[in-house]
Amino acid sequence: GNSVTQMEGPVTLSEEAFLTINCTYTATGYPSLFWYVQYPGEGLQLLLKATKADDKGSNKGFEATYRKETTSFHLEKGSVQVSDSAVYFCALMFNDKIIFGKGTRLHILP
Amino acid sequence: ETGVTQSPTHLIKTRGQQVTLRCSSQSGHNTVSWYQQALGQGPQFIFQYYREEENGRGNFPPRFSGLQFPNYSSELNVNALELDDSALYLCASSLDREYEQYFGPGTRLTVT
Repeated sequence: GNSVTQMEGPVTLSEEAFLTINCTYTATGYPSLFWYVQYPGEGLQLLLKATKADDKGSNKGFEATYRKETTSFHLEKGSVQVSDSAVYFCALMFNDKIIFGKGTRLHILP
Repeated sequence: ETGVTQSPTHLIKTRGQQVTLRCSSQSGHNTVSWYQQALGQGPQFIFQYYREEENGRGNFPPRFSGLQFPNYSSELNVNALELDDSALYLCASSLDREYEQYFGPGTRLTVT
């Protein structure tokens, strides 16, 4: 079946460090891929998306590239800020429904 | 443009009771999806409504039911509440079935 696996957290980094959160997926067909972010006490916000192989999604300094050959969609940011502290969810959409990973909690220290 | 809204924000119920959660979709959106997010987990798909008809269901028992109204707002009903139903319930709307989904802030349900 379709599933998403992402690295377990928490991930703790210092401000201005480089961030990578790994995400791999299993899917029949060619799903759309997403990263959602959930700030404390808030709902989910779409961070970025990619709809086909080799697409790069980007937003707020975050990037992720749809890699069909490795079935991956790793999230990266070159220089994190304290305000990036949140839970990040990798997800795929297939047959109109979204399947989420378990989430990775990110702590950024000043 | 008003985003997705949900009510109530928080709710406490007793095991065996019934609950109704409400969602107003974003203007122009005809599709609503419901998700359950247990503490420390990713959201799990419950079901989706498209133009007032159920359009797909996740692995949830029949005591989870829903409705979509002509204005595309939606309700999630849960009967015979169990302790494990305690979770954040998220509603998401989209322009159409295959479009990206925009989430509301959620309803936090606690079952005691």
